[in-house]
Amino acid sequence: EDKVVQSPLSLVVHEGDTVTLNCSYEVTNFRSLLWYKQEKKAPTFLFMLTSSGIEKKSGRLSSILDKKELFSILNITATQTGDSAVYLCAVGGNSGNTPLVFGKGTRLSVIA
Amino acid sequence: DARVTQTPRHKVTEMGQEVTMRCQPILGHNTVFWYRQTMMQGLELLAYFRNRAPLDDSGMPKDRFSAEMPDATLATLKIQPSEPRDSAVYFCASGQGSGVAQETQYFGPGTRLLVL
Repeated sequence: EDKVVQSPLSLVVHEGDTVTLNCSYEVTNFRSLLWYKQEKKAPTFLFMLTSSGIEKKSGRLSSILDKKELFSILNITATQTGDSAVYLCAVGGNSGNTPLVFGKGTRLSVIA
Repeated sequence: DARVTQTPRHKVTEMGQEVTMRCQPILGHNTVFWYRQTMMQGLELLAYFRNRAPLDDSGMPKDRFSAEMPDATLATLKIQPSEPRDSAVYFCASGQGSGVAQETQYFGPGTRLLVL
């Protein structure tokens, strides 16, 4: 059974800190890994990763995938209170008709 | 600004009543997903459609849940009869393309359901 495990489950940091969120997975015939940010409402798309070692970057957020060790990290530098959210990792595997399997998320709280 | 829309945004109902949730995917997207999210279980996939055809609904309790796409602009999720344990936020998401490009999903705002 495909599985996605995120750690830590929750994290509290101060503004300006750098955080690293982890996502490990077990999936048959891996295709891609996606990161989403969920604040009060619906998840919003952050990154899609398909190849090992290539960093995706958007502002203060960056993510990288290791297909050999089966994990990804999401880094946030110089955190701000607006970064407070649940960060979801999802993995697509198997045939083209199989949708994403989501992890339970990491709840990040950034305090001033 | 293309987005997925869902109605209603909130629904409070009594146990045993029928609940219908609607979703309008982003125009041109060929895949629609229904998810349920609770504090305990996180995001769970209930069903999904590609080109209006149901591909997988194994995540749904078949005796009470049903999902349909009467046309390309409307997806519905029905619960009949509803039970208190169905209380959750139900998200619809849509995507476009095939293979890897299919997998970026755009979520609607969700329907928050409370069954008393």
